[in-house]
Amino acid sequence: EADIYQTPRYLVIGTGKKITLECSQTMGHDKMYWYQQDPGMELHLIHYSYGVNSTEKGDLSSESTVSRIRTEHFPLTLESARPSHTSQYLCASSESSQGSYNEQFFGPGTRLTVL
Amino acid sequence: KNQVEQSPQSLIILEGKNCTLQCNYTVSPFSNLRWYKQDTGRGPVSLTIMTFSENTKSNGRYTATLDADTKQSSLHITASQLSDSASYICVVSDRGSTLGRLYFGRGTQLTVWP
Repeated sequence: EADIYQTPRYLVIGTGKKITLECSQTMGHDKMYWYQQDPGMELHLIHYSYGVNSTEKGDLSSESTVSRIRTEHFPLTLESARPSHTSQYLCASSESSQGSYNEQFFGPGTRLTVL
Repeated sequence: KNQVEQSPQSLIILEGKNCTLQCNYTVSPFSNLRWYKQDTGRGPVSLTIMTFSENTKSNGRYTATLDADTKQSSLHITASQLSDSASYICVVSDRGSTLGRLYFGRGTQLTVWP
C-alpha cells in the first residue's frame, strides 16, 4: 500500500467556488503528478513537479493551478469551479532514480462534482 | 503518435474462470510496460512491470506477457475471484524524456460474477 493521501475523497460544490484538493506523500519522492480521469477514459496528465518550487503543465489543458512548497505536499487549486471540472482527480508520486523505472504510486483520488 | 490500445473494453466472466486481456502500444522509445488494477473510486495499483528484455512476469494469479517486437502485451488472470472485478489498465513508459512520461490505455472493465 503506497503512502500517498488525498483529501477530500468526495466533494460536491456549487459553480464559482474556490477549491483546493490536497495531496501528500510520505515516501520522500521528488516527482509528483496530477491526473484527471473521466469514467471509462484514460488518465490525462494535467500537472507535474520535479521537486520543490518546480511545477509544469501536463498534456491536458487545465484551468487548475498547483504549488510545490514542500516535498511531501502538492495541492491543486481551482479558483472558480465550473460543471466542466466535474471529474476524478488522481495524485501520484515517483522516485527520480532510473532504477525505479519511474513507477508511479497513486493516491485514492478525489471525486469532484460541480453543480 | 504514442498510443496504448486495450481490448476488450469490458468483459464479464464467472468466478473461477480464466481470462486474458490485451494491450497494443505504439510508444517509442520503449522503456517499460505496467499493468495496473483500479478498483472503482480508487487509484490504480501496480500489478506487474516488464522491461524490454522481459517477456513474462507473474504476480500470484496474474501473469503478464510482453512481445516487444510486435508491441503487444497480455494480462492473464487465473481462477478469477469476485475481488478481481476492477478496471485493468495497461501503461507504457518511454525513455525519451526526463519525466519518464506514462501513456495510459482506457482500461478493460472486468466483472466477475458468482
